[in-house]
Amino acid sequence: DAGVIQSPRHEVTEMGQEVTLRCKPISGHDYLFWYRQTMMRGLELLIYFNNNVPIDDSGMPEDRFSAKMPNASFSTLKIQPSEPRDSAVYFCASSRTEGNTIYFGEGSWLTVV
Amino acid sequence: GNSVTQMEGPVTLSEEAFLTINCTYTATGYPSLFWYVQYPGEGLQLLLKATKADDKGSNKGFEATYRKETTSFHLEKGSVQVSDSAVYFCALSDQTGANNLFFGTGTRLTVIP
Repeated sequence: DAGVIQSPRHEVTEMGQEVTLRCKPISGHDYLFWYRQTMMRGLELLIYFNNNVPIDDSGMPEDRFSAKMPNASFSTLKIQPSEPRDSAVYFCASSRTEGNTIYFGEGSWLTVV
Repeated sequence: GNSVTQMEGPVTLSEEAFLTINCTYTATGYPSLFWYVQYPGEGLQLLLKATKADDKGSNKGFEATYRKETTSFHLEKGSVQVSDSAVYFCALSDQTGANNLFFGTGTRLTVIP
């Protein structure tokens, strides 16, 4: 079975540009999570969806960040405008309601210069 | 609230040494407990898990036992290899249906030949 698929794997962009990160969860999973990993703050939950509906976005750092899940097989995390402090690894993850294991993608490594 | 406290790193061991990484937790209810591993340049992979008290999770020679009385889930391996060099994260699931994970700060392990 395919795991959680993220793209791009690596992105370098200039400050002020829009960044869009993409995620395809594991088929049949009804929860989708976006996490951010930095050296200073470790792993932080940004937002999660259940059945494509955002449930908790309290971890989204500010209005420059937005996430959507238009269908069960696709989600985006957008940063507009990007800033150097947004440089981090962004992980998408998914799980099933009846299971209790969250599976992670390989991450999108973002550098904003 | 839910939280995980993990042994500070980094940890450096010689090959074939015994490994223990301590993890304690605070949770309401009866969480599931997990160890995830992150190899250099990669995403998080589930290493092992335990869903109830006294359960032992095991995988690839690693073990951890869910100890409710001491609220602990320490990771152990009898003989580490160079290929075990990675960052190890202890986590708990809040069992509210979303299975959201609360992570420890991670412990970096380096195994030298």
